[in-house]
Amino acid sequence: NAGVMQNPRHLVRRRGQEARLRCSPMKGHSHVYWYRQLPEEGLKFMVYLQKENIIDESGMPKERFSAEFPKEGPSILRIQQVVRGDSAAYFCASSLPPYMNTEAFFGQGTRLTVV
Amino acid sequence: AQSVTQLDSQVPVFEEAPVELRCNYSSSVSVYLFWYVQYPNQGLQLLLKYLSGSTLVESINGFEAEFNKSQTSFHLRKPSVHISDTAEYFCAVSDPNRDDKIIFGKGTRLHILP
Repeated sequence: NAGVMQNPRHLVRRRGQEARLRCSPMKGHSHVYWYRQLPEEGLKFMVYLQKENIIDESGMPKERFSAEFPKEGPSILRIQQVVRGDSAAYFCASSLPPYMNTEAFFGQGTRLTVV
Repeated sequence: AQSVTQLDSQVPVFEEAPVELRCNYSSSVSVYLFWYVQYPNQGLQLLLKYLSGSTLVESINGFEAEFNKSQTSFHLRKPSVHISDTAEYFCAVSDPNRDDKIIFGKGTRLHILP
């Protein structure tokens, strides 16, 4: 059973371009989280999704950022018109439904650098 | 909403000495509590978790954490650290009664001194 797969591992974008980060959850997992990690700031929650449904997007900036978790395929975190401040490590995690007493399993992260 | 406080951003400790990494969470009727570890340039791995039952939980590599409801704490301890324990440690909490996100603390960087 493969773990959570994120790609790419490293992504370089120029200011104004779009960044697409992909996350394939563990097999059988129905819930996906996206977190952003900046040095000295820990993990900041961005968005929590179930297939075809956004459960909580309270941590996601209102502009330029969007996320989806379609019925088929990976979850996508999309950042439009990237700026230098978007440079960070973005981690995806997946889990079974919370009522099943389970923890979240993390991917290796995508390190986004905006130049 | 839940929140997690890790008071120490960095903890230096000599090899083979004991260590405690502190974690406090905002009160709730019930919680799930987790400690995750992040080695350099890697994702987070679950170290141990408290869901219910015994308040003392242990990991396979010698760490333990104790759930203290009255103090709303879940401190992580190890009686004797090894150089390979150098990593960042994150405490996390979730609410089992709601379909809710896992909230993380800011992390504590453990430096093992030779």
